[in-house]
Amino acid sequence: NAGVMQNPRHLVRRRGQEARLRCSPVKGHSHVYWYRQLPEEGLKFMVYLQKENIIDESGMPKERFSAEFPKEGPSILRIQQVVRGDSAAYFCASSQGQTNTGELFFGEGSRLTVL
Amino acid sequence: AQSVTQLDSQVPVFEEAPVELRCNYSSSVSVYLFWYVQYPNQGLQLLLKYLSGSTLVKGINGFEAEFNKSQTSFHLRKPSVHISDTAEYFCAVSHNQAGTALIFGKGTTLSVSS
Repeated sequence: NAGVMQNPRHLVRRRGQEARLRCSPVKGHSHVYWYRQLPEEGLKFMVYLQKENIIDESGMPKERFSAEFPKEGPSILRIQQVVRGDSAAYFCASSQGQTNTGELFFGEGSRLTVL
Repeated sequence: AQSVTQLDSQVPVFEEAPVELRCNYSSSVSVYLFWYVQYPNQGLQLLLKYLSGSTLVKGINGFEAEFNKSQTSFHLRKPSVHISDTAEYFCAVSHNQAGTALIFGKGTTLSVSS
């Protein structure tokens, strides 16, 4: 399967713990996007990264959230000191070029539950 | 900034009936428009997209959408739905400028029953 791989698919954390979500894009894709999905709120854009660069982080909360896409390895979305409101499905997508004309390929999501 | 409004959160229909899922967008610049489908517990997959040219766009699974610039709409249609079309459908927009991400609507749940 050469699609976008996200892990873990399900993650349970207690309040105050850290959550790390990983995303391996389609082979050859250098653009990665993270979205958060809450029930009845649709997909909210969080951050857009290219290798080693953050292009647009306008959707990222100012505190506790960070993302990276290193030269080697998967993209990581990190949430520090999680709170109940962080419970959501987090989707990663990748594209070969800039997304606005091309297709986004989505992973199956990581579902975070904060107890 | 651009935004997307999907006017119906839920659309129930019977099998073989036609369906239209409505999408309106707002933007001060030219846009590209997309429809994605999400089946339960899966990621999104592209149904169709409008970049330029003909305003009637055909996609996979018999879906089509029409771009109407004057009404800033991009409604999705299918003349005859199947049970297997039950899913959540998302309209999305992006600027036709480099380096901008897709902005999604809140989604419309299509429920097809027999």
